[in-house]
Amino acid sequence: AQKITQTQPGMFVQEKEAVTLDCTYDTSDQSYGLFWYKQPSSGEMIFLIYQGSYDEQNATEGRYSLNFQKARKSANLVISASQLGDSAMYFCAMREEGSGANSKLTFGKGITLSVRP
Amino acid sequence: DGGITQSPKYLFRKEGQNVTLSCEQNLNHDAMYWYRQDPGQGLRLIYYSQIVNDFQKGDIAEGYSVSREKKESFPLTVTSAQKNPTAFYLCASSKLLAWGRETQYFGPGTRLLVL
Repeated sequence: AQKITQTQPGMFVQEKEAVTLDCTYDTSDQSYGLFWYKQPSSGEMIFLIYQGSYDEQNATEGRYSLNFQKARKSANLVISASQLGDSAMYFCAMREEGSGANSKLTFGKGITLSVRP
Repeated sequence: DGGITQSPKYLFRKEGQNVTLSCEQNLNHDAMYWYRQDPGQGLRLIYYSQIVNDFQKGDIAEGYSVSREKKESFPLTVTSAQKNPTAFYLCASSKLLAWGRETQYFGPGTRLLVL
């Protein structure tokens, strides 16, 4: 079974509107971390937001927020007030405690977001 | 400015040739990582290193080799044993912390093409 699932086809959003990018995960660990990265056409992976499994509140970073539903094993990224520069690939990733601290991330296959003017 | 640099941006490999991708960081990070990305796919871990002179295989280490002689540098060699090397290669680094909000930061990547 895939550990990180991102199944949405290419997403489109109108500039200044909000958009939700879906991510579900699979783990038997109690302690884990969830990450979202943005990859523009230049290729560089840009860290956006982090959610720990024991965090009681949903993470927020500026226009980015994470809708964390632990029981459903979902960690959806919400981008508010979309901008043209938000057009990119977005990747969800997970680090499990069982894999050892500071070791590997498991990535989903990504979602393409296009912002329309 | 602190950051991660990768060179070259594009690299061409001939059949049977070994090539080395450079990754340097001045963030004083302890851990460094190499990922491979194929079109339309997520990233897969090739190798990682948490301290100098030590490194671990990731999910797809076959056909690759690394070294970690300095904290700042983690070069990746794509050997002739790697039969399908065409991909985008990303290097990352992170500060070693106790379990918590340790985050990996990425370089700009190297695109490897086979002639």
